[in-house]
Amino acid sequence: SQTIHQWPATLVQPVGSPLSLECTVEGTSNPNLYWYRQAAGRGLQLLFYSVGIGQISSEVPQNLSASRPQDRQFILSSKKLLLSDSGFYLCAWTASGETQYFGPGTRLLVL
Amino acid sequence: EDKVVQSPLSLVVHEGDTVTLNCSYEVTNFRSLLWYKQEKKAPTFLFMLTSSGIEKKSGRLSSILDKKELFSILNITATQTGDSAIYLCAVPKTGGFKTIFGAGTRLFVKA
Repeated sequence: SQTIHQWPATLVQPVGSPLSLECTVEGTSNPNLYWYRQAAGRGLQLLFYSVGIGQISSEVPQNLSASRPQDRQFILSSKKLLLSDSGFYLCAWTASGETQYFGPGTRLLVL
Repeated sequence: EDKVVQSPLSLVVHEGDTVTLNCSYEVTNFRSLLWYKQEKKAPTFLFMLTSSGIEKKSGRLSSILDKKELFSILNITATQTGDSAIYLCAVPKTGGFKTIFGAGTRLFVKA
């Protein structure tokens, strides 16, 4: 069966520090991968999606970036965090269908 | 602009009550609508609806789609405290790579 992992689970970072969140999927090949952010009391905002290794589409211009160095690995990064980057970050995958399967999320607090 | 709007944004009920959550959408080339339940962390899939008037049912939860009026409802009968969660409505865009999420309905069921 397929599983999706995210780490860390929680993170507290100072403004201006770098960020690296990692997501890995097991039990499937060539998944579509997604990064979402959910601010408190808000819906899910799509940040990036990837249909293959090295292929990244950005939905929202900001100080975040994403990379997909391996088929089942998706990384979200920032060189300098802003206060507004605080939120709950979710990684998700789909196969060929439209149902998305989400990881456990990373709660990021930027102080 | 494509959008998905959920109402109400929050709801407090007592155990045993029946609730109806609403989701309206305006998305070009509509293909499907999905409902997710989000407790403390990752959203989990509930239903995918593609055809008007056909009810999907799982235990005390049911959902139906109206493609003419562009909305869906999610019903929960005999609510329990374990139903307390955020319920998200989502509509994939053409090509299936991007999904638009509503802001969610936060349901709280009191014992």
